[in-house]
Amino acid sequence: AQSVTQLGSHVSVSEGALVLLRCNYSSSVPPYLFWYVQYPNQGLQLLLKYTTGATLVKGINGFEAEFKKSETSFHLTKPSAHMSDAAEYFCAVSGGGNEKLTFGTGTRLTIIP
Amino acid sequence: DARVTQTPRHKVTEMGQEVTMRCQPILGHNTVFWYRQTMMQGLELLAYFRNRAPLDDSGMPKDRFSAEMPDATLATLKIQPSEPRDSAVYFCASGPGRRAGSGNTIYFGEGSWLTVV
Repeated sequence: AQSVTQLGSHVSVSEGALVLLRCNYSSSVPPYLFWYVQYPNQGLQLLLKYTTGATLVKGINGFEAEFKKSETSFHLTKPSAHMSDAAEYFCAVSGGGNEKLTFGTGTRLTIIP
Repeated sequence: DARVTQTPRHKVTEMGQEVTMRCQPILGHNTVFWYRQTMMQGLELLAYFRNRAPLDDSGMPKDRFSAEMPDATLATLKIQPSEPRDSAVYFCASGPGRRAGSGNTIYFGEGSWLTVV
């Protein structure tokens, strides 16, 4: 069984400030980890993913995430927030021989001008 | 630009009516998913197909929901009869299915926004 916990359903940061969205996972098999972004009234778009290899992964729009097995975490960061980053962010896990994604409950990111 | 296409984008229907949502996966993808998104439950997996065969529909209420893939280019999700609690956004997604379980990227459609009154 797999699960994802996203700490903080709402996060607000000032424009230009560091963005940190937290994700912890539980998995009985080696996990594949994903971050998706959802803009209002739209579908989900992949930001980045970790499969194997380098534990620091870079994604689109300046985001990156680091897989830490010892902490069962996959936190999402961006050094400097932009107004266009305002959206909902979902962490997800898959693994164990199938592709289905198990999602966290999401974090809504608000950018303060 | 390959994308997952869903129809209808928006649907308002009366309780008791049948609702059919359609999805065209990305050409060449052989895994298809149906997810439901609500404020209360978040994103829930309803059904998962590989090569048109259902692999997992444990998240789908069997009494009123059904999911099929008549061919490789069409997936359908049907609700009969619909109820107000079915109001949600229904997302279809597809994946390449290469080396299943290897962290393939799953691509989502724009969603079908269903309101049952």
